[in-house]
Amino acid sequence: SQQGEEDPQALSIQEGENATMNCSYKTSINNLQWYRQNSGRGLVHLILIRSNEREKHSGRLRVTLDTSKKSSSLLITASRAADTASYFCATGGGSNYKLTFGKGTLLTVNP
Amino acid sequence: DAGVTQSPTHLIKTRGQQVTLRCSPISGHKSVSWYQQVLGQGPQFIFQYYEKEERGRGNFPDRFSARQFPNYSSELNVNALLLGDSALYLCASSSETSGFTGELFFGEGSRLTVL
Repeated sequence: SQQGEEDPQALSIQEGENATMNCSYKTSINNLQWYRQNSGRGLVHLILIRSNEREKHSGRLRVTLDTSKKSSSLLITASRAADTASYFCATGGGSNYKLTFGKGTLLTVNP
Repeated sequence: DAGVTQSPTHLIKTRGQQVTLRCSPISGHKSVSWYQQVLGQGPQFIFQYYEKEERGRGNFPDRFSARQFPNYSSELNVNALLLGDSALYLCASSSETSGFTGELFFGEGSRLTVL
């Protein structure tokens, strides 16, 4: 079963615009991670935010976490065509390495 | 440094056959996990191995099995293939350091088509 649910399922924007994706989850977590997948290939880890953190930045990425609402958001600023990919949130980790992924958001950035 | 490598990259099987997928983790990583990703869905956890022992198993039938070798490489076996087993099978490795944070390093996957 899927723990996280991303919203929207698909997002299409123009280069230079910001893209925001949301993730909701159901149970308590140790951390929440975001991964990126290009066209059915392997997943690449983007960023991890711990349950005691509220916001984290990495380059053009900004992640927020609201444990009271069991939700997270991923913001990509100044998007580029190369950002076109599917983005997944994942919960779990810690001593149990199992991650539970959502269904993902397909982001298309038009040149 | 080489990342996680998987083989084969693509394969086609018929119903009832058996398949073996292989994975080599990043050098120094002792944990290997397997995930199944059906088209349009997120990856689903199948197995996790650490130091050659199974640490976790997802909600998959006994037709799915795996093992980890002394060099930390791993194989995933699926017997009696069904059409629904068609998917991208992803292997991921993690170090003792990254493992406690949960970060996984994925290979490019093996795409299995069952006809």
